[in-house]
Amino acid sequence: SQQGEEDPQALSIQEGENATMNCSYKTSINNLQWYRQNSGRGLVHLILIRSNEREKHSGRLRVTLDTSKKSSSLLITASRAADTASYFCATDGQNFVFGPGTRLSVLP
Amino acid sequence: DTEVTQTPKHLVMGMTNKKSLKCEQHMGHRAMYWYKQKAKKPPELMFVYSYEKLSINESVPSRFSPECPNSSLLNLHLHALQPEDSALYLCASSPKTGGTEAFFGQGTRLTVV
Repeated sequence: SQQGEEDPQALSIQEGENATMNCSYKTSINNLQWYRQNSGRGLVHLILIRSNEREKHSGRLRVTLDTSKKSSSLLITASRAADTASYFCATDGQNFVFGPGTRLSVLP
Repeated sequence: DTEVTQTPKHLVMGMTNKKSLKCEQHMGHRAMYWYKQKAKKPPELMFVYSYEKLSINESVPSRFSPECPNSSLLNLHLHALQPEDSALYLCASSPKTGGTEAFFGQGTRLTVV
């Protein structure tokens, strides 16, 4: 199964700032997805980007995909305290396998 | 209904107990998953069911026994667990394996004493 690896592992910013986290993966993909997990709860699907797309937006989220570098980034603009969570990427394949994630803290 | 419902939300069990975790979805998804998650770690895949058949067992100890009685229901039977098995157990479903989006339940917080 394929696995994404997120970077940085922890990120702390002030409310209103932008947060950028990255994901690298090893093999060819059809799509890549980002998930959010609030502390001790289930994961929530945020956005999916297909291998033939380079950028996708959803509200305050912007995802880019560079298949030549096998990497993706998730940008959260104008962050809020409620964005405090762990963020994971996952690539398509047999299963949903997650990397270590990025723990984002947005300070009020 | 886009929910995956897990019960119970919390469970405390002794090392000699037998208990079961339950997961239910009514989205018509044919792939269902169990994950184990320790604090500050990512979810670790345990089992995958595809069309009610076990397709992946990620070398999980036999004290964890999954069951998929029908396409909407997934159980995880627990027996003779160890304190290190204490974790958040997450269930997820997707339309099929290798799909585009997984829907997660809120998890069962398991404590083994």
